[in-house]
Amino acid sequence: AQSVTQLDSHVSVSEGTPVLLRCNYSSSYSPSLFWYVQHPNKGLQLLLKYTSAATLVKGINGFEAEFKKSETSFHLTKPSAHMSDAAEYFCVVRSNTGTASKLTFGTGTRLQVTL
Amino acid sequence: DAGITQSPRHKVTETGTPVTLRCHQTENHRYMYWYRQDPGHGLRLIHYSYGVKDTDKGEVSDGYSVSRSKTEDFLLTLESATSSQTSVYFCAISELAGRYEQYFGPGTRLTVT
Repeated sequence: AQSVTQLDSHVSVSEGTPVLLRCNYSSSYSPSLFWYVQHPNKGLQLLLKYTSAATLVKGINGFEAEFKKSETSFHLTKPSAHMSDAAEYFCVVRSNTGTASKLTFGTGTRLQVTL
Repeated sequence: DAGITQSPRHKVTETGTPVTLRCHQTENHRYMYWYRQDPGHGLRLIHYSYGVKDTDKGEVSDGYSVSRSKTEDFLLTLESATSSQTSVYFCAISELAGRYEQYFGPGTRLTVT
């Protein structure tokens, strides 16, 4: 079974400082991995995805993530946090069943950005 | 944004009453999914559909049923709502199973009293 573990339930950074949200995965084969963001009282928006192409994946709003097979990690980073980045972030792994693809979500990391 | 709407957006109901949530898409995507979101659990898959009248169970399907009579609509029914089904429910769609990401609707907040 595939799974993801988000290592921090809450991260607080100052505006303008780097963001690091950590995610480790468990998969019996090469996984497809995603980061989704959820702003308060909103739906989920896809930030970026890894599907076995380049290991450094660039997403929207300046976010990127690096797939490291040796460390089974897929950490999300951003060089400089903005107030609008405050949200909950989900690391997600996809597995393919016989009839559909199934997403398994991490428990989420709440990012707080302070002045 | 993907054309996904959910109705109602908010609902309060009493224990034991039936409830139906609707997901409507305008993207003509084949796959549709229902998730529930609870604190500390992320999102968990309830049921999904891989075509009209084709559905299957997810990891938390007990107490829920679904139907899909048209490509654009996917209904989630709680036959007899319980307080443990108080949650935020999200619908998602994807064009194909293996290569395409899922796009999510705005969610329905359901409270069972």
